[in-house]
Amino acid sequence: DAGITQSPRYKITETGRQVTLMCHQTWSHSYMFWYRQDLGHGLRLIYYSAAADITDKGEVPDGYVVSRSKTENFPLTLESATRSQTSVYFCASSEQGASPLHFGNGTRLTVT
Amino acid sequence: QKEVEQNSGPLSVPEGAIASLNCTYSDRGSQSFFWYRQYSGKSPELIMFIYSNGDKEDGRFTAQLNKASQYVSLLIRDSQPSDSATYLCAVNTLTGGGNKLTFGTGTQLKVEL
Repeated sequence: DAGITQSPRYKITETGRQVTLMCHQTWSHSYMFWYRQDLGHGLRLIYYSAAADITDKGEVPDGYVVSRSKTENFPLTLESATRSQTSVYFCASSEQGASPLHFGNGTRLTVT
Repeated sequence: QKEVEQNSGPLSVPEGAIASLNCTYSDRGSQSFFWYRQYSGKSPELIMFIYSNGDKEDGRFTAQLNKASQYVSLLIRDSQPSDSATYLCAVNTLTGGGNKLTFGTGTQLKVEL
């Protein structure tokens, strides 16, 4: 089925560990995004990508790394997890930069 | 001033009533506007988008845009308990760095029996 899939759905990790959240879309959308959602802050953009091998920072990029070697995949890596990175992470895609977003189901990450 | 502002609610309406959700934005150059619905523990899903001043209707939903007042709203007619969710307003602005989409923090809607 076409769509956007995130994995894992839930992750608990310890402070200082590296964690990678996966995102895969089957629509061949050009744009992909990573957001985090926290109470009181709403959805905040971490990184986005306009195409394979093109990525750019969003509003809150510190502590995160992304790559996009293939159009369909956009993994997000927390190089050394901190408790402040405990959040719900959403991956999204869109056909163009101004098009509506399609969201994945989210990954709930807890850093202990 | 926040770039996109919404009343956090909760907004409580009786079943069958009209729910009116409001959103204001700060950048006059904003070009496209989106409403997403998010159920608790779920991901946001697109409800409506609007680009031009005026009203846009889709079933029980109507989006209203007033660029002069920098105001966008979502009306839900004949509200149902299944409409109970958080509604996120998102505003897209074309900047020197490309498109910038900013979300409001959302308004929680409760439709009561």
